Amino acid sequence: KAGVTQTPRYLIKTRGQQVTLSCSPISGHRSVSWYQQTPGQGLQFLFEYFSETQRNKGNFPGRFSGRQFSNSRSEMNVSTLELGDSALYLCASSFSGWIYEQYFGPGTRLTVT
Amino acid sequence: KNQVEQSPQSLIILEGKNCTLQCNYTVSPFSNLRWYKQDTGRGPVSLTIMTFSENTKSNGRYTATLDADTKQSSLHITASQLSDSASYICVVSDRGSTLGRLYFGRGTQLTVWP
Repeated sequence: KAGVTQTPRYLIKTRGQQVTLSCSPISGHRSVSWYQQTPGQGLQFLFEYFSETQRNKGNFPGRFSGRQFSNSRSEMNVSTLELGDSALYLCASSFSGWIYEQYFGPGTRLTVT
Repeated sequence: KNQVEQSPQSLIILEGKNCTLQCNYTVSPFSNLRWYKQDTGRGPVSLTIMTFSENTKSNGRYTATLDADTKQSSLHITASQLSDSASYICVVSDRGSTLGRLYFGRGTQLTVWP
């Protein structure tokens, strides 16, 4: 079974721009969660989507948004990028939900200059 | 306040030696505790998941213990290998439902030297 894939793997953007990251979950998994990981804050939960609906949300500003498609693939969008948004963005898929066993993708390394 | 604290922050050991990583939590209620291994530049990989009733769980050379009374967990690595060099993250969930939350530790950075 193929694992969780994320594209692109690396991205460099300029402050003020917007960015869209993509995540393809393991086949059959309906839950996709997104995380931001920085050296200073560690892993922080952004949001979870389940069957195309946002089911849980972390404490991030509205500049961070996401969506999930009918095939369970998910995208995350960050608008008006700030230098502090530089991080590794991870997505994880699960059959039932983020509270249960999750499988992480390799992440997208975003650098904002 | 629900928190997960890991110690030490970093650790260097020689190949072949054993080591133990600690995780203390104040999360309540408690559903399960997980240990993840994260190689540099990669996503975390699950090592073990333990519920309230489980005291010990092994995955190869990795053995996790849980004391739900004292709210402490440890991850013991036996006969370390160079490939064990990674960040080890402790994660606690507060309830076994989709309404629950996950609480993340900052991780212990383990370096194994030859």
